Amino acid sequence: DTGVSQNPRHKITKRGQNVTFRCDPISEHNRLYWYRQTLGQGPEFLTYFQNEAQLEKSRLLSDRFSAERPKGSFSTLEIQRTEQGDSAMYLCASSGTGNSPLHFGNGTRLTVT
Amino acid sequence: LAKTTQPISMDSYEGQEVNITCSHNNIATNDYITWYQQFPSQGPRFIIQGYKTKVTNEVASLFIPADRKSSTLSLPRVSLSDTAVYYCLVAFSGGYQKVTFGIGTKLQVIP
Repeated sequence: DTGVSQNPRHKITKRGQNVTFRCDPISEHNRLYWYRQTLGQGPEFLTYFQNEAQLEKSRLLSDRFSAERPKGSFSTLEIQRTEQGDSAMYLCASSGTGNSPLHFGNGTRLTVT
Repeated sequence: LAKTTQPISMDSYEGQEVNITCSHNNIATNDYITWYQQFPSQGPRFIIQGYKTKVTNEVASLFIPADRKSSTLSLPRVSLSDTAVYYCLVAFSGGYQKVTFGIGTKLQVIP
């Protein structure tokens, strides 16, 4: 069990640019989640995949955000035309079925200048 | 989804036992209670999970009364490295879809 891996750890971008983050979940986990966390707040749910199917999307996920999980393995989160309000820590988590707990990566910290 | 309420912050001296209580008055029959710990610049880390009564593992205990409307995370003999934010979550046993974390409880351990 190598844990959930997220890359890059940090990303600084200029407003208006597109960014893409990658998440590699624990290999046997079929559920994958993306969360966003800003300073002093708890993680906010963005989206959820079961295998390759995106089953839940938060209203927080505007049309500038898109997530994919091809072949039910790694996942990518893309933000188009970034805005300063997108600056946050983006966390990925994976879990098994049933009431299995979430296993989080250490996140990608995005700074939009 | 059951809403949770927990203290925003707590202070404790090293070596003491710390109890953090979470209220979840509208918990549903199939909901489990899970606690996570988060250090700065890291993702949350699973601590313990339970459904009813008491659960204990190598790092913590979780006490859940019969009505399940609250739960208490107990950390024995805390050290400085236990300074972190602790989150209480209630989620349907069928999965964690749309689980949202609250602000959590910021525990400060004092030497």
